[in-house]
Amino acid sequence: NAGVTQTPKFQVLKTGQSMTLQCAQDMNHNSMYWYRQDPGMGLRLIYYSASEGTTDKGEVPNGYNVSRLNKREFSLRLESAAPSQTSVYFCASSTSVPNSGNTIYFGEGSWLTVV
Amino acid sequence: GQQVMQIPQYQHVQEGEDFTTYCNSSTTLSNIQWYKQRPGGHPVFLIQLVKSGEVKKQKRLTFQFGEAKKNSSLHITATQTTDVGTYFCAGKAGGYNKLIFGAGTRLAVHP
Repeated sequence: NAGVTQTPKFQVLKTGQSMTLQCAQDMNHNSMYWYRQDPGMGLRLIYYSASEGTTDKGEVPNGYNVSRLNKREFSLRLESAAPSQTSVYFCASSTSVPNSGNTIYFGEGSWLTVV
Repeated sequence: GQQVMQIPQYQHVQEGEDFTTYCNSSTTLSNIQWYKQRPGGHPVFLIQLVKSGEVKKQKRLTFQFGEAKKNSSLHITATQTTDVGTYFCAGKAGGYNKLIFGAGTRLAVHP
C-alpha cells in the first residue's frame, strides 16, 4: 500500500533551472496538496487541488505552478529556481477539501537545494 | 488572514516528565488536527477535534479544544524517547478551504 508517492527524494538545482516534482496517490482521494517546510516555519501550503480539474493558490504560491494531471497525480513545477526555494516539499492528499476535517496523508518529502 | 500560533517552539525534557504544547488561532476554528513528525520523516495524523471543549485521549496523549474554539493543547504524560519529534497543530476556519499549520513544537526527550 504505497499511499502518497513523490519523486525525486533529493535534488540539487542551479539558480534559474527548472524542475518538476511528481506526486501520485493510490487512495482514490479527491484533494491533493503541495506544502513546503522550512526550519521554524512549519508547513506552508503552496497550492492545492480540491478535485480533479481544479487548482487553487495556497499561502506561498509565487514561483510555482501546478498541474492536476488526473485524480491520482498532482505535479509541482519550479520554472526558474531560486535559492529561496531551497526547502523540503511535501505532497499530500485527503478525501476532500479539509473543511470537513478529513485527515491529510503526506508523502515522504522531497529535499530540494537551489545553489 | 488566518494565523495559527504554536508555543513553545522547542522543548526538551527528561524521560518521564510531562510535556505540553499550545496552539492559538487568530480566528474561530471549525476543527483542529494534530500531527507528529519524527526527525527526517513526514507528518502523520494523530487526531482531530471538532466540538467546543472537546477532550480526547490516546494512551499518554491528551488533546483539548478550547471552549471558544480558538485554542488547543496537546499534553503528553510521562514522556518516552519514542515521543521525540515535532508536533504540529493545523486548523481550519470557516470560509477557508485549507488547513493552516502552526510552526510546530519540537520535543527532545533525554533518557
